[in-house]
Amino acid sequence: GAGVSQSPSNKVTEKGKDVELRCDPISGHTALYWYRQSLGQGLEFLIYFQGNSAPDKSGLPSDRFSAERTGGSVSTLTIQRTQQEDSAVYLCASSSTRDSQETQYFGPGTRLLVL
Amino acid sequence: GQQLNQSPQSMFIQEGEDVSMNCTSSSIFNTWLWYKQDPGEGPVLLIALYKAGELTSNGRLTAQFGITRKDSFLNISASIPSDVGIYFCAGLNTGKLIFGQGTTLQVKP
Repeated sequence: GAGVSQSPSNKVTEKGKDVELRCDPISGHTALYWYRQSLGQGLEFLIYFQGNSAPDKSGLPSDRFSAERTGGSVSTLTIQRTQQEDSAVYLCASSSTRDSQETQYFGPGTRLLVL
Repeated sequence: GQQLNQSPQSMFIQEGEDVSMNCTSSSIFNTWLWYKQDPGEGPVLLIALYKAGELTSNGRLTAQFGITRKDSFLNISASIPSDVGIYFCAGLNTGKLIFGQGTTLQVKP
């Protein structure tokens, strides 16, 4: 597609349930990133993937958070046993290379509300 | 961890006025970026700075990469209503973007 797409755009869930958020990066982009944006805050890095290399998971806040990237394209961010503090906008970005000057292009985000 | 301090937190200005916002860091970054985020959208890159001391313009926007590599500013000249939004600075560190807290800009016609 023309840009990074994410689904769902909004997700409301109950505390304790698992959720899966999906990201479709720009075609051909080898690097994919997940960020979290809490209300009124800047973006917080979660995880990124570059090609077939092991992902950098250093930003994941707890072991309830995990992500995978299948076939070097689509990525899924999974949050298990959701808590109210997980409520935020989850943004995905992609770029053509990592550790370079290539621009990270962001998707519109998934707005997660945990009740 | 690394943090960027961005100021001001918010601004309310009259259309036509110039705007300035800045970012400082305790750590050095080799790349500084400025993004704008509209409601319900992801951030969009405005200007990227790759060299200490660099001054770069993009239309009415001008940004500078501080000589110490620990700060940057963004100026918007002759503001218009569509400049409304949240502006974020970001430093690039080994592929990861470290963001400031954002500056919310409101423009009164």
